[in-house]
Order: sequence, then structure tokens, then C-alpha cells
Amino acid sequence: EDKVVQSPLSLVVHEGDTVTLNCSYEVTNFRSLLWYKQEKKAPTFLFMLTSSGIEKKSGRLSSILDKKELSSILNITATQTGDSAIYLCAPRNTDKLIFGTGTRLQVFP
Amino acid sequence: KAGVTQTPRYLIKTRGQQVTLSCSPISGHRSVSWYQQTPGQGLQFLFEYFSETQRNKGNFPGRFSGRQFSNSRSEMNVSTLELGDSALYLCASSLVSLDSPLHFGNGTRLTVT
Repeated sequence: EDKVVQSPLSLVVHEGDTVTLNCSYEVTNFRSLLWYKQEKKAPTFLFMLTSSGIEKKSGRLSSILDKKELSSILNITATQTGDSAIYLCAPRNTDKLIFGTGTRLQVFP
Repeated sequence: KAGVTQTPRYLIKTRGQQVTLSCSPISGHRSVSWYQQTPGQGLQFLFEYFSETQRNKGNFPGRFSGRQFSNSRSEMNVSTLELGDSALYLCASSLVSLDSPLHFGNGTRLTVT
């Protein structure tokens, strides 16, 4: 059965801190891994990773995939209160996205 | 470019009724997927439509069905509603390729009483 585990489940930090969110997966017919940020309603697309070891960056956010270890990390540097959200990891196989339960990040001023 | 649009935003129904949710994808996107989000189960895949055909289906009972129209708009129907169907129903669209990211709408919050 396909499985996605995200850690930590919850994280509380102060503005300016750097955080690392982890995702490990066991997914048949793996094609790619996507990261989303969910605040109130719609998960917002952050990154799609298909190749191992190639870092993707967008501003203060970056992510990398390790296909050998079946894992991915999402880094956020110099966190801001606007980064407070649930971050969802979703490996994709030939059929669908399989979501983890998410990491809830709270950033306090 | 307009994002994925879902209507209605909120619905309250009673057990045994049926409901239809609507999704308009991003212009040019031909694949539409539906997901159910609950606090206990997280995001679960319902089905995916492409070119008016169901391409993939998740592990939900037959009470959950959908369709896609020639303009790529999609509807999802749930018949004989149960209390456990209360959830946020999210629609996502993507380009043709399986390697294109999915972009989600704001969802329809369904409450069954």
C-alpha cells in the first residue's frame, strides 16, 4: 500500500528561523513529488520534483528529492508570519497524488 | 489567468439527499481531478477525468460519481448522502501531461446533517 510520512507533524518557530520539513514515501510507479502550502482552503502549488539531487528554489523556499532514500525535504529560510500554514507533500504515481498528513508550521513574530 | 473555480463554496444537505458540485479548470487544462479532504483521512483521491473520460478512480463507493464536459468543466455527484461525506471537496486541474503540476480550487465545503 502506498504510504507517505511527513515530519514533524507540527512546528512552532520565531520569525527569522530556518526550518526543514521532511517527507518519506513508499509509492508504486512513482513519477514525481509535489509540495503544496495550504492556508485556509486551496493547496497552493510550490514545487514539483522529478530528478534526484536537483534543488529547486523559489525565494526563501527550496526543495530537493532523494530517490534512493525515497525522501524529500522542504527548506524555508528567514521564516515570516506569512509562512504559517500546513505544508503537504504529495508523491505522484501514474494514477494520482498521494498526500501525507502535512506539517503544520506556525511562525510567531 | 483565472484559477480553478469551484461552486458552490458551501453546501448543507441532509442524509439521503444527493448533491452536485461543479469545477471549472484553468483555461487550457484538460485534466480534472477530485479530492476529498477530512481531518481524519487528509486528502484522498476520488477520480480523474480527461477528454470527458474517467481516467483513474480512487477507493470510494459508487455513490460518488463524476463527469467531464467537452469544455473540460467537471461535475461531481454524491447520492444518498451520509454523515461521513461531510468534507471539503477539492478540484484540481492540470495540463495533459502526467508530469504537469495540479492546481487546486478553493473547494466546496459540504456539511451533511
